[in-house]
Amino acid sequence: NAGVTQTPKFQVLKTGQSMTLQCAQDMNHNSMYWYRQDPGMGLRLIYYSASEGTTDKGEVPNGYNVSRLNKREFSLRLESAAPSQTSVYFCASRTAGRAYNDQFFGPGTRLTVL
Amino acid sequence: QKEVEQNSGPLSVPEGAIASLNCTYSDRGSQSFFWYRQYSGKSPELIMFIYSNGDKEDGRFTAQLNKASQYVSLLIRDSQPSDSATYLCAAEMNRDDKIIFGKGTRLHILP
Repeated sequence: NAGVTQTPKFQVLKTGQSMTLQCAQDMNHNSMYWYRQDPGMGLRLIYYSASEGTTDKGEVPNGYNVSRLNKREFSLRLESAAPSQTSVYFCASRTAGRAYNDQFFGPGTRLTVL
Repeated sequence: QKEVEQNSGPLSVPEGAIASLNCTYSDRGSQSFFWYRQYSGKSPELIMFIYSNGDKEDGRFTAQLNKASQYVSLLIRDSQPSDSATYLCAAEMNRDDKIIFGKGTRLHILP
């Protein structure tokens, strides 16, 4: 049981390059999330998916796209990276519903855009 | 203004004392509330979850929820140096599983 896995762990991009961050969970969770964390800013929600086949915008969706490939996988794509997207990106998953206190985070991807 | 607000700190508390962390939220439709602990360079770790008004206790941790006043708090009793971390408050918005975080409060436990 690996929990939530993210690849890659580190990435350096040049402005304008594209890349996809991968996330997978093996806990049969319905909901999956992408957050970014910048110093002093806490976690900001980029996109989330409450179930397979659905995705919704969070607080800071501009410049990103997502795909809920299946129940296990939720990817985040940067089409044209900008220095403002330098951040630590966390993927998380959870069983939907208020009774469930089981949101788990992946180890994070540290992205630098030059 | 963020939908979930926390004092960024740092909050310094002597070892063995009670640390009190507070959080307010703006959306009255919020249903569930979470407290996470995050050590520097690590992922957030869920430590408390509450969705009913009142107190919920788990070991040295107590979460308190007051929906009428729209605040959530976390008490840490018998604070230890290992409790030094950033504590993140989060709320689930409008039952649609959208979870929004505050900016976090840095807690320092003084030996």
